[in-house]
Amino acid sequence: DIQMTQSPSSLSASIGDRVTITCRASQSIDNYLNWYQQKPGKAPNLLIYAASSLQSGVPSRFTGSGSGADFTLIISSLQPEDFATYYCQQTYSTPRTFGQGTKVEIK
Amino acid sequence: QLQLQESGPGLVKPSETLSLTCSVSGDSINSITYYWAWIRQPPGKGLEWIGTIYYSGSTYYNPSLKSRVTVSVDTAKNQFSLKLTSVTAADTAMYYCARHDYGGPRGFDPWGQGTLVTVSS
Repeated sequence: DIQMTQSPSSLSASIGDRVTITCRASQSIDNYLNWYQQKPGKAPNLLIYAASSLQSGVPSRFTGSGSGADFTLIISSLQPEDFATYYCQQTYSTPRTFGQGTKVEIK
Repeated sequence: QLQLQESGPGLVKPSETLSLTCSVSGDSINSITYYWAWIRQPPGKGLEWIGTIYYSGSTYYNPSLKSRVTVSVDTAKNQFSLKLTSVTAADTAMYYCARHDYGGPRGFDPWGQGTLVTVSS
């Protein structure tokens, strides 16, 4: 199985801050990497697919980058509705696996 | 607009079988492009992919659960289902169904709202 490791596990940030979350795969997965946002009590929601493609309807302040084994999700200017937990997920091989999540909290 | 809705018992006894159904509306489950998946999330923990099915009945399972999992599809009802046998407290989780872009890049999208299953006597 491909292990996905996110860092940090949690972070505190203020409205307007630039936030960076990283995801590392245990082997190269090309660009087969998705990012999801999960708000409390809700199902996850796809933000970015294929490492850098923005899902329809997702604000442009979300940017994904990376290839191979190292990936980054950047929120350029944190908004109140962005406080949530973010998960990366590889679509390179079966079983599909997720990172452990990064919780973005209000400072 | 595609919507998915999970249904099934919220409480299952240890050693028994967990059975859930996902009803799909707004699109046909007979999609050539998309597959259909189950994912779970124990309380306060991360996400675990359980398995995926194509309308034809082809299935893909997480090896960690494969011996206990069956995913099936009912195209007439536009539903797919999950059975997990010999459950223990470790199977207590929110269970989600989702459309799965198995052969493409988009992963799981959209998701159902989820249903909480507790394993307890």
